Amino acid sequence: TQLLEQSPQFLSIQEGENLTVYCNSSSVFSSLQWYRQEPGEGPVLLVTVVTGGEVKKLKRLTFQFGDARKDSSLHITAAQPGDTGLYLCAGYGGYNKLIFGAGTRLAVHP
Amino acid sequence: GAGVSQSPSNKVTEKGKDVELRCDPISGHTALYWYRQSLGQGLEFLIYFQGNSAPDKSGLPSDRFSAERTGGSVSTLTIQRTQQEDSAVYLCASRHRDRVDIGQFFGPGTRLTVL
Repeated sequence: TQLLEQSPQFLSIQEGENLTVYCNSSSVFSSLQWYRQEPGEGPVLLVTVVTGGEVKKLKRLTFQFGDARKDSSLHITAAQPGDTGLYLCAGYGGYNKLIFGAGTRLAVHP
Repeated sequence: GAGVSQSPSNKVTEKGKDVELRCDPISGHTALYWYRQSLGQGLEFLIYFQGNSAPDKSGLPSDRFSAERTGGSVSTLTIQRTQQEDSAVYLCASRHRDRVDIGQFFGPGTRLTVL
């Protein structure tokens, strides 16, 4: 069974701080996706990483896919209150089934 | 509409009753998924529909859960004889068959509370 483990589970920081969220597995994934979910809404895709070692940037967010395609990280620079939410990593276990990590709940305080 | 819609947004029911949850996917998306999300947790895969192929039901937790998709569009998730542990947010997502890279588009979910 393919599992994705995210850490930390909770993160509470002040505006302007940097943070990193990790997503790890013992299995190889062909790609990993990161979603952000806000209360009362469904998750929204932030990025898909496909190539081992790949780094993608989305404004203040930097996503990295491990060389062995078993892990990924999300780094946020100078966090803003608008970054508050649940961050989920996900990978396809086979073509059909998207496997989600348990998520990292981020709170950024003004 | 432009996005995935789900109804109802909230459902409160008594233990033992049956419930039906509806999902309207994005037009043209042939892949449709149902997930369950317990409070503050990640998403648990329930079922996957792709076009006219037989659905992947491997995530359904018990035979009280069933789902159908009519005409390749609207889907209904039915939970029979609801139990308190069924309380969760049920999310529906759709995706274009050949665009795995752009991710799944999620609806806002139905919050189910079983008393």
